[in-house]
Amino acid sequence: ETGVTQTPRHLVMGMTNKKSLKCEQHLGHNAMYWYKQSAKKPLELMFVYSLEERVENNSVPSRFSPECPNSSHLFLHLHTLQPEDSALYLCASSQDLAGPYNEQFFGPGTRLTVL
Amino acid sequence: SQQGEEDPQALSIQEGENATMNCSYKTSINNLQWYRQNSGRGLVHLILIRSNEREKHSGRLRVTLDTSKKSSSLLITASRAADTASYFCATDATDSSYKLIFGSGTRLLVRP
Repeated sequence: ETGVTQTPRHLVMGMTNKKSLKCEQHLGHNAMYWYKQSAKKPLELMFVYSLEERVENNSVPSRFSPECPNSSHLFLHLHTLQPEDSALYLCASSQDLAGPYNEQFFGPGTRLTVL
Repeated sequence: SQQGEEDPQALSIQEGENATMNCSYKTSINNLQWYRQNSGRGLVHLILIRSNEREKHSGRLRVTLDTSKKSSSLLITASRAADTASYFCATDATDSSYKLIFGSGTRLLVRP
């Protein structure tokens, strides 16, 4: 798990709180992703960044705000979340967006519980 | 919408037996990937097979791809208790290869 790290691993927050999830990749990759994994649902792509530019916002509510200050770091800022936002949030990275091999490397995830 | 669907949803086998999981998808792809996820953890990439390949091996893993049937299978031979996990197939779209569409997964239990 040293390739992609995520902090915190667990987070409990109230609906009025503001918190941030952090992801860091040590692989020299140019693309980073946020996914949401809810119970009994397929993994959902949320945001995609390439060279620090957002290239995909998959109809994610504005209470989720991503930030990519450099190609190694990705944040997900959370505010006024709802209980249904409770899920495992996974960060991933890949060498580039384009190309025949788009293997993605995942972090261990942040288990988020919204009370 | 394009989506990988794994079959079966759950599989329980004895250690040493082979495990076969299937994946079906709906639209044209550039490649198909299989990932493993231990409970509550991140996904680990297992193998990628390109659309012009029919079979690929990696250690105890064998993946097949039939683009005419839009299906793939993952075979784990001589299973071990440590293989217990959820297995997902992920397909990309030919017009945006970075957008991986994951299926719901197969939960594999390997009994010691």
